[in-house]
Amino acid sequence: KQEVTQIPAALSVPEGENLVLNCSFTDSAIYNLQWFRQDPGKGLTSLLLIQSSQREQTSGRLNASLDKSSGRSTLYIAASQPGDSATYLCAVPAGGYNKLIFGAGTRLAVHP
Amino acid sequence: EAQVTQNPRYLITVTGKKLTVTCSQNMNHEYMSWYRQDPGLGLRQIYYSMNVEVTDKGDVPEGYKVSRKEKRNFPLILESPSPNQTSLYFCASSFSGAGLGDTQYFGPGTRLTVL
Repeated sequence: KQEVTQIPAALSVPEGENLVLNCSFTDSAIYNLQWFRQDPGKGLTSLLLIQSSQREQTSGRLNASLDKSSGRSTLYIAASQPGDSATYLCAVPAGGYNKLIFGAGTRLAVHP
Repeated sequence: EAQVTQNPRYLITVTGKKLTVTCSQNMNHEYMSWYRQDPGLGLRQIYYSMNVEVTDKGDVPEGYKVSRKEKRNFPLILESPSPNQTSLYFCASSFSGAGLGDTQYFGPGTRLTVL
């Protein structure tokens, strides 16, 4: 059964720091991996999708990497800003692609 | 504007009083899904639907019902709510299955408290 774990559970950093959020999964036979951002009262927003054949994806200051063999993904946030404060979740497909298995998330606070 | 809407956004109810949380999307998506989010557990899928009149259980379907009579709507029904169903609920939609890489659009969430 696929399990997804995210470390750390919470992170508080000063503005400008470069950050690494970690996601691990137990079954390496994944089709893709997605990173989401969750803001209070606003649901989830898709940030990056990495296909199983890819090693990384970039969007602006965000870079996500995928290492299937070790069951790990990292989300790198460059030059963090207070507006990056949110909960970040990773998710992998399961159940014949009919659902996503989510990690519990990393709650990020970036202070000025 | 492409969006998924949920109503109500907040609900406090009592044990055993039937309730329905509505979900509607305006993107002509075939796939819709319900998740619940609890502290420390992430999001867990309750039910999903691949198209009109096609629904199936997710990981935590006990105590919930769904229906898909129209493509745009996917209501979540709690016929006899219990305190362990106190949670934050999200509806999501996409063109194809959740794991195929299509962008998942999530509603803003419904915070339910069952006393």
